[in-house]
Amino acid sequence: AQTVTQSQPEMSVQEAETVTLSCTYDTSESDYYLFWYKQPPSRQMILVIRQEAYKQQNATENRFSVNFQKAAKSFSLKISDSQLGDAAMYFCAYRSENNNDMRFGAGTRLTVKP
Amino acid sequence: DAGITQSPRHKVTETGTPVTLRCHQTENHRYMYWYRQDPGHGLRLIHYSYGVKDTDKGEVSDGYSVSRSKTEDFLLTLESATSSQTSVYFCAISERLARDNEQFFGPGTRLTVL
Repeated sequence: AQTVTQSQPEMSVQEAETVTLSCTYDTSESDYYLFWYKQPPSRQMILVIRQEAYKQQNATENRFSVNFQKAAKSFSLKISDSQLGDAAMYFCAYRSENNNDMRFGAGTRLTVKP
Repeated sequence: DAGITQSPRHKVTETGTPVTLRCHQTENHRYMYWYRQDPGHGLRLIHYSYGVKDTDKGEVSDGYSVSRSKTEDFLLTLESATSSQTSVYFCAISERLARDNEQFFGPGTRLTVL
């Protein structure tokens, strides 16, 4: 079964600076999707960005970008120009070829300091 | 925001009692999912549904059952609640069963089993 590992339980960043959250995964599949979700204190899960495994180009959404290294099975999230509203739990997720199986990492709690 | 509601939002119950959580959607999406969220584990799939009366097990299905008699409602039942089922439960929906298809999450239900 696929596993997703987020090795940083907590991270902090100064407002306006850049932070990178790490995610690694284990799979034998060649085609899959990767996601980053944000969960603010409201508990609502919000999709931040997604990456298709067969695409070499890294996905970007405004201040959020990923560094996808397929061979290394690594999928890190970079947040540029951090804002106070970015403070949240961030979950990395892997969606399997069989489509019904979505695996989440344990999460990284991001604190943004003013 | 996707139209997903969960009820109740909070529940405290005693060990051995039956509990039913309800997920209601107004998006007419075919696929519905139940996850549980626990510290150190992220979200884990309990059961999912791919149509009315069509359901299947996820990663952590033991002790849970589900039913879907209408497109818009997906019920999660704990036949005899145990303390290990204390968790936050999330419902999610998706329109298509494609790897890139986003899952939209409900607001969550916090269940405490004493």
